[in-house]
Amino acid sequence: QVQLQESGPGLVKPSETLSLTCTVSGGSVSSGSYYWSWIRQPPGKGLEWIGYIYYSGSTNYNPSLKSRVTISVDTSKNQFSLKLSSVTAADTAVYYCARERCSTTTCYAGFIDYWGQGTLVTVSS
Amino acid sequence: QLVLTQSPSASASLGASVKLTCTLSSGHSSSAIAWHQQQPEKGPRYLMKLNSDGSHIKGDGIPDRFSGSSSGAERYLTISSLQSEDEADYYCQTWGTGIRVFGGGTKLTVL
Repeated sequence: QVQLQESGPGLVKPSETLSLTCTVSGGSVSSGSYYWSWIRQPPGKGLEWIGYIYYSGSTNYNPSLKSRVTISVDTSKNQFSLKLSSVTAADTAVYYCARERCSTTTCYAGFIDYWGQGTLVTVSS
Repeated sequence: QLVLTQSPSASASLGASVKLTCTLSSGHSSSAIAWHQQQPEKGPRYLMKLNSDGSHIKGDGIPDRFSGSSSGAERYLTISSLQSEDEADYYCQTWGTGIRVFGGGTKLTVL
């Protein structure tokens, strides 16, 4: 059974950088069969895709966040991470990490089949 | 542009069936989607991947009461024998090279 667990500060000051880590168990971030994603959900609102990383290190980000987002992977720790810079109150949300299974044999894209439990990050001074 | 449209709310009685709809934007009617359930105060849970031909792959432990079907650009999630724990938000998701998209979600109320 795959499990994902987010960790990181629950409170970040405006203009600073939000940093979260997702630890994966029961599966390997080095596998070519999966993408590893970050999604967020502001209080009372819907889900917003932030970005993903593939085992090769290739990344793609939501265009609305692209200038502030970096996703990286640490295969030695079986973790992947999110950094979001210059945060404002609008970045207050529950942040989820997720595993995406390849949607086809060519693995050009994936769909989420496992979610982390989520972690609330509040941006406030 | 890849967009998913969902009705904001739906309701049905305990023990009845309900069919939720997710509509793909023009030009994307052959795309697959995934359905996710989010119970109150919990994180989302993957329900199934649903292809344009109606075939689907369910997540671990998802009951048979949950099924999927497709017609044109519409993707459906049918929940039969509704139980109180089915009261939740339901999101559809789709994907392309370099992009992932969520629908706005449907809040299901079990009466």
